[in-house]
Amino acid sequence: EPEVTQTPSHQVTQMGQEVILRCVPISNHLYFYWYRQILGQKVEFLVSFYNNEISEKSEIFDDQFSVERPDGSNFTLKIRSTKLEDSAMYFCASTGGVSEKLFFGSGTQLSVL
Amino acid sequence: DQQVKQNSPSLSVQEGRISILNCDYTNSMFDYFLWYKKYPAEGPTFLISISSIKDKNEDGRFTVFLNKSAKHLSLHIVPSQPGDSAVYFCAASEGSNYKLTFGKGTLLTVNP
Repeated sequence: EPEVTQTPSHQVTQMGQEVILRCVPISNHLYFYWYRQILGQKVEFLVSFYNNEISEKSEIFDDQFSVERPDGSNFTLKIRSTKLEDSAMYFCASTGGVSEKLFFGSGTQLSVL
Repeated sequence: DQQVKQNSPSLSVQEGRISILNCDYTNSMFDYFLWYKKYPAEGPTFLISISSIKDKNEDGRFTVFLNKSAKHLSLHIVPSQPGDSAVYFCAASEGSNYKLTFGKGTLLTVNP
């Protein structure tokens, strides 16, 4: 089965530093998403991205967050100045269409110290 | 924010028996519901979905039931297998747009 690939699997950073989480969605998919799960809490929607622009974003996705599809294969989430509360597992997901299955990557565990 | 609730944090069943996982929601605008399974160190994997125009959807050993008046859905796994042991998440959205609201999950353990 096709896979969404996320790198790195673990990222440790200092508070205030910028971090970029990388994702390679399934090729020919058109819709891209970031979700996160803080330890012990629910998986939460962050942002959806289609046709090179943000479709929807949650309240969590403030000015410190940005997404980009820099080329035809990568989809990145940037956190400009990380805070302790940004520590979470971040999941990338993609789908070919909203009537198709949503595939999740294995996640990047971000630890902000 | 408790729009989607899974009140049982864990469930243990014997191999071969039925597993029933429950989910309640409060947002009446939700009209698309999904179940995901998650193993440790992996992302959620889609299991089955149902739209609000239906009250039942079946896929092999997995059946999802939707009771709109009670704002309740359940996932039935028959027969349960040890490989089904995982965390099961209920999720919902307004329309099939994948802006999903998840429950906290239920850890299912299927004992051989």
